[in-house]
Amino acid sequence: GAVVSQHPSWVICKSGTSVKIECRSLDFQATTMFWYRQFPKQSLMLMATSNEGSKATYEQGVEKDKFLINHASLTLSTLTVTSAHPEDSSFYICSAIAGANTGELFFGEGSRLTVL
Amino acid sequence: AQRVTQPEKLLSVFKGAPVELKCNYSYSGSPELFWYVQYSRQRLQLLLRHISRESIKGFTADLNKGETSFHLKKPFAQEEDSAMYYCALGTGGGNKLTFGTGTQLKVEL
Repeated sequence: GAVVSQHPSWVICKSGTSVKIECRSLDFQATTMFWYRQFPKQSLMLMATSNEGSKATYEQGVEKDKFLINHASLTLSTLTVTSAHPEDSSFYICSAIAGANTGELFFGEGSRLTVL
Repeated sequence: AQRVTQPEKLLSVFKGAPVELKCNYSYSGSPELFWYVQYSRQRLQLLLRHISRESIKGFTADLNKGETSFHLKKPFAQEEDSAMYYCALGTGGGNKLTFGTGTQLKVEL
């Protein structure tokens, strides 16, 4: 199947700094990618839909200025957590649609962010 | 707004016993339901979707619109079935997913 890769898989940063997480589709082009957030022992919560060449669509309650999403190419979407605080510590997961298969989402391995 | 409920956080069964992971949904439109699985130290992957009506690794799930349920079943559990299972509701063409809280399945010998 299609492969989605995230980098870094684990990052620790100081409060107030910004952190960028990359999501790449390795063997296919993805016009749409999704970013999720998962707190420990909780479900995945959709944060935003990343569209190549246009602005991301954010879910209700997700701060656009806090979580900057850029989808500059068909194989790369980035999530930047700006001015990170300890409450931003979480597991961030991306997924991408491969081809025209509705619902055939392929997920990245996730990136764990810890803000000190 | 749509909602997916998985009432059991943990389900423990013996090898060879039947398995049923419960999932109920709430959605005003026509639902597209999925089951995703996450094995230990691996990424989330699609197990099955109601549209395809197929059986994957012995698992089946039937969409019951009357009961708004999409329970996952397998007649005989195997040790390798131990994993985290998420039920998901797709909107926006099916790709925008709302996940349940997940059920950890543990198959004991």
